[in-house]
Amino acid sequence: GQQLNQSPQSMFIQEGEDVSMNCTSSSIFNTWLWYKQDPGEGPVLLIALYKAGELTSNGRLTAQFGITRKDSFLNISASIPSDVGIYFCAGHQGGGSEKLVFGKGMKLTVNP
Amino acid sequence: DSGVTQTPKHLITATGQRVTLRCSPRSGDLSVYWYQQSLDQGLQFLIQYYNGEERAKGNILERFSAQQFPDLHSELNLSSLELGDSALYFCASRRASTGELFFGEGSRLTVL
Repeated sequence: GQQLNQSPQSMFIQEGEDVSMNCTSSSIFNTWLWYKQDPGEGPVLLIALYKAGELTSNGRLTAQFGITRKDSFLNISASIPSDVGIYFCAGHQGGGSEKLVFGKGMKLTVNP
Repeated sequence: DSGVTQTPKHLITATGQRVTLRCSPRSGDLSVYWYQQSLDQGLQFLIQYYNGEERAKGNILERFSAQQFPDLHSELNLSSLELGDSALYFCASRRASTGELFFGEGSRLTVL
């Protein structure tokens, strides 16, 4: 099935550092969503983006919907230990499709 | 708490058996999505229902089936289970106005 290309696959950072991750696709998406998953739990929605070029913040998180509508990035500033987890990007292609396609995830480790 | 309820949380069974996973969506949400997540893997879309009708199909095996009932709860039936079916199965419901998906805590299936 179709998936988004998410990178990097994993990151090891020190507490207080910033981290960036991105998702790309060969197809246009109408909506980009970023989720975080803690071990053994379901993904939790962090940020939703609905318009090309849109830049949205949620606390220390900032995400942007790419102008081409084929990519999105998520930044986490001043990381803390509880940021540890797997971050997924997801997108709706629209055009009648209600399927939400996910990236493979980025595993973040934060060293105190 | 996402408002999406999944049962059971854990299930251990043997190869060849059949199990049923249950999901209750958030109040007011008509769409239910099912995803499979194998160890260290991303979320694979299985199937989506909207108000009782199948709306989209992903990588769902023929041994698997689902339905959504008039009260909007959904069940995912997995039959002739194989070792490779061991995974986390997530249900999500979709907020119609924004397209955001809210996930349950998942059902962890172990096939021995």
